[in-house]
Amino acid sequence: GNSVTQMEGPVTLSEEAFLTINCTYTATGYPSLFWYVQYPGEGLQLLLKATKADDKGSNKGFEATYRKETTSFHLEKGSVQVSDSAVYFCALSDRAGGNQFYFGTGTSLTVIP
Amino acid sequence: DTGVSQDPRHKITKRGQNVTFRCDPISEHNRLYWYRQTLGQGPEFLTYFQNEAQLEKSRLLSDRFSAERPKGSFSTLEIQRTEQGDSAMYLCASSLEAVMTEAFFGQGTRLTVV
Repeated sequence: GNSVTQMEGPVTLSEEAFLTINCTYTATGYPSLFWYVQYPGEGLQLLLKATKADDKGSNKGFEATYRKETTSFHLEKGSVQVSDSAVYFCALSDRAGGNQFYFGTGTSLTVIP
Repeated sequence: DTGVSQDPRHKITKRGQNVTFRCDPISEHNRLYWYRQTLGQGPEFLTYFQNEAQLEKSRLLSDRFSAERPKGSFSTLEIQRTEQGDSAMYLCASSLEAVMTEAFFGQGTRLTVV
């Protein structure tokens, strides 16, 4: 079946620190992979995506590379800001496994000045 | 187009009452999803529509839950005889039919059953 496993939080970093949030997946077929972000009091927003192996998704300084050999899609940012404080969700969509999106449990990030 | 909208944003109800939520997807999107999110968890799939057809339902969706999308546009999610365990954020999302496309989420309806 399909599932996503995310690094547990919460994560607290100082401003300008390097961020990595680990995500691994299990999929029936050939999934698309996503990172969503949820800011306090708001809905989920797409942060980035990758649709095939070795693709790199990037947005707002965040990056993640689709690694089929390690079934991973780790989120990274070189220098976090206070405004990056949010909950981050890794997700996959696998047509072979149905049409739904599968989400990890989320990782809460707090960036302190 | 202003994105996916959900109504109401918040709902407090007494145990045993029925509640109905509405979702208006992005207009050109023919796929619509309902998810449930509890504190500290990721969204949990409830059901999925393609146009007006309900194509998938989670095994976790009890028979107290029903969803409709009568004209392939907006959707409603009804919970009958609410229980305290139904307290959660109910999220609606929509997407295009194209393979590998992302889902766009509304801000959710927070249900509190007292």
